[in-house]
Amino acid sequence: EAQVTQNPRYLITVTGKKLTVTCSQNMNHEYMSWYRQDPGLGLRQIYYSMNVEVTDKGDVPEGYKVSRKEKRNFPLILESPSPNQTSLYFCASSGNLLLGSAYEQYFGPGTRLTVT
Amino acid sequence: AQKVTQAQTEISVVEKEDVTLDCVYETRDTTYYLFWYKQPPSGELVFLIRRNSFDEQNEISGRYSWNFQKSTSSFNFTITASQVVDSAVYFCALRDNAGGTSYGKLTFGQGTILTVHP
Repeated sequence: EAQVTQNPRYLITVTGKKLTVTCSQNMNHEYMSWYRQDPGLGLRQIYYSMNVEVTDKGDVPEGYKVSRKEKRNFPLILESPSPNQTSLYFCASSGNLLLGSAYEQYFGPGTRLTVT
Repeated sequence: AQKVTQAQTEISVVEKEDVTLDCVYETRDTTYYLFWYKQPPSGELVFLIRRNSFDEQNEISGRYSWNFQKSTSSFNFTITASQVVDSAVYFCALRDNAGGTSYGKLTFGQGTILTVHP
């Protein structure tokens, strides 16, 4: 089954404790991205990757890191989480957007993070 | 810059009513793509439809229909004969062909919470 998976689905942590949210897709997609969803703001892009070893900032990258060492994986790293990073996080993937295609992005199930 | 506006924060209807969710967008690109996603109470995002800027043909899929009008920069979504299972948050999103920063980014509206009462 074609899918995007994220782990963990729920996480409660404390300020300053480093954490990683994993994202994996089995569709051989080149493009992957992270979004956060906050009430009244919709979803906003954090980071994206056009392919292996190619990553770039989205609209709200502060406090986050990413890496793309393998095509299928795109982990989101919070080196020192703060309460304002409490949010619902989504990973997404799609086909090669460099081809100017209209590929839709498929989303993972979401990770609900609470930082106290 | 891209912008998507969903002016209706919440809509409440009774089952079997028709309901239209509004979406207005802004972009300077001549080539762009519009999307609707559904987020049910379980939280996942479900892709519903994609529309290309060069294709203004409206689309119907079962009880769902979409009205794309470039002249008014709108991409509205209508649910006919609504059902309780349609209760969800619906997001309209835009992606253009701009390169540079945030390549491939989906710009989302704020979402419309639809509640269908039995």
